[in-house]
Amino acid sequence: AQSVTQPDIHITVSEGASLELRCNYSYGATPYLFWYVQSPGQGLQLLLKYFSGDTLVQGIKGFEAEFKRSQSSFNLRKPSVHWSDAAEYFCAVGPLMDSSYKLIFGSGTRLLVRP
Amino acid sequence: DGGITQSPKYLFRKEGQNVTLSCEQNLNHDAMYWYRQDPGQGLRLIYYSQIVNDFQKGDIAEGYSVSREKKESFPLTVTSAQKNPTAFYLCASSGRAANTGELFFGEGSRLTVL
Repeated sequence: AQSVTQPDIHITVSEGASLELRCNYSYGATPYLFWYVQSPGQGLQLLLKYFSGDTLVQGIKGFEAEFKRSQSSFNLRKPSVHWSDAAEYFCAVGPLMDSSYKLIFGSGTRLLVRP
Repeated sequence: DGGITQSPKYLFRKEGQNVTLSCEQNLNHDAMYWYRQDPGQGLRLIYYSQIVNDFQKGDIAEGYSVSREKKESFPLTVTSAQKNPTAFYLCASSGRAANTGELFFGEGSRLTVL
């Protein structure tokens, strides 16, 4: 069955520190992978996506993610966190192989940033 | 600017009332989706539509209804049959031609049942 796991519910980092948010997936073929960010009370904004090619993808706001097929992972990283990065982050995989273009979302990781 | 507009942003409802959440997009996307989000949980799919006049149930469709009479619009009705309707509702769309599933989201509507 297709699924996405974000093992960390909350992560707290100090401003200026590096960040890595974990995402593991189960998918029967080469997946399309996404990271979205959600500020409180807002919709989701796409940070970056992986479709094919270079396994290290760059996104907005200084984020990057690396697709590792052997580990079924797509972890999100940022070298230096800013207070404005405090938000909830969702990993997603898709589309489902029933051609519905649906994505499967992880349960999210809430990032807290210490001053 | 192209995007997805959800309204209202905040809505209060008495128990037993039906309410309709609006979702309009000008991205010329074929597919549209409604998700429900509860605190500490991820996104759960309520309904989705791939083309006009067609829609399918998602994982938690009970107590909800939708229509897709126009490509741009995909309103969601939360009926009195929905036992726990207080939640944050997100509308999204995707371009069918892209075939990637990438979603574009609205700003959300927060429904509170009094």
